[in-house]
Parts: sequence; structure tokens; C-alpha cells
Amino acid sequence: RKEVEQDPGPFNVPEGATVAFNCTYSNSASQSFFWYRQDCRKEPKLLMSVYSSGNEDGRFTAQLNRASQYISLLIRDSKLSDSATYLCVVIRWNQAGTALIFGKGTTLSVSS
Amino acid sequence: DVKVTQSSRYLVKRTGEKVFLECVQDMDHENMFWYRQDPGLGLRLIYFSYDVKMKEKGDIPEGYSVSREKKERFSLILESASTNQTSMYLCASSFQGREQYFGPGTRLTVT
Repeated sequence: RKEVEQDPGPFNVPEGATVAFNCTYSNSASQSFFWYRQDCRKEPKLLMSVYSSGNEDGRFTAQLNRASQYISLLIRDSKLSDSATYLCVVIRWNQAGTALIFGKGTTLSVSS
Repeated sequence: DVKVTQSSRYLVKRTGEKVFLECVQDMDHENMFWYRQDPGLGLRLIYFSYDVKMKEKGDIPEGYSVSREKKERFSLILESASTNQTSMYLCASSFQGREQYFGPGTRLTVT
């Protein structure tokens, strides 16, 4: 089982739809969690951090469920410009160092 | 804003050539990383560095080496380029245990 898994999609939704992605992680020692956005042929860019209490940034809401070991990203009122690949990232660190684990990404396509 | 720059956006090299990819960050980050990204395989870590002159192998170091002589600069070296090293190469930097910031990527084609 991969340490971080995402449904690759693609998710095809109309404008205005609400869409949610999940990302599961297998190592309970994971400590920090992030969502990145990557546009076609561009570098990944940090979208938002994910906290146990959940966090919201405009139309985007990220949540962490430690008990079930998954993080989620909810996008409300989808825009055409939300079309991209969304990567979840898990960080864990211990005496051996820091490990950043990327999921392979979930592709979202928003159409008019 | 954090800025991570890479020396080339597009590069075409011949099989057997030695290739240097340069990455520079301006935020005094300790950690720097080199990834390659291929369709269906996601981001794969080649090498990373926690400090000047330190380097650690990632998941796919074969055929690559790195150099970190200064804190802001992390170089990836392909000793003898091969066609299976055609890929998008992404550099990133971060503070310890924090989120990464990526450069714009170098699309390398080896013919």
C-alpha cells in the first residue's frame, strides 16, 4: 500500500458544483499536511495547510481526520479556473529526518 | 515571497552528455530537493539536502548526483544523460518540516 493515496480522477464537474477530494495516508506518525495545486506544465504551488481543526480559505475547506488517517479538500461553487491537479502532501519527521510524501494528484476539470 | 529559480525552462541534450541543472532559492531555507515528474508516476524524489555540503538519496538517485556548495544553490547532475531521463525536473526548498516551495521546472529532453 502506498504511503499516500489519492483518487486520480479525473473529476469532471460543471461550474458552480461542489466537489470533494480525499487523500489517505498510512503512517500514523505523519505530522503535517498540505494541499498543493498544479496547473498543466507548471510547478506545484501551495494551496493550503491542513489542521486538525479544519481550515477554510474562501471557497476551499481542508480537513484532517487523524483517526481515519485521511485529509480532504472541499471546493464550493467551482470555477473554470479551478481546473488543475490537486496534490496532497504529508510530512513526518523524527530523529532520522524529515520525509515529505506526495500523492500522485487528483485531476479536476470544471466545464461551463 | 519565496523565490526558487531554475537555470533553464527547456533543455535538449544528447545521449551521453553531462547535464547540469541549477536551482537557487532566496529564503535562506536549509532544505532543498530535486524531483522528477512523469505522467502517471507523480513526483519522485531524486536527492535532497539538509544543509551545505550535505546530501541524501531520495527514491530514485541512480544516474544522478548533486552538489550543494552554498546554502542557496543546489545542483543536479546527470553524469551521462540517457533517454529515460527525459522528464520534468522540479527543484524545491523549505524550512525544516515545513511546506515546500517549487521552482518553475526544467523540461529536459534527451535524444
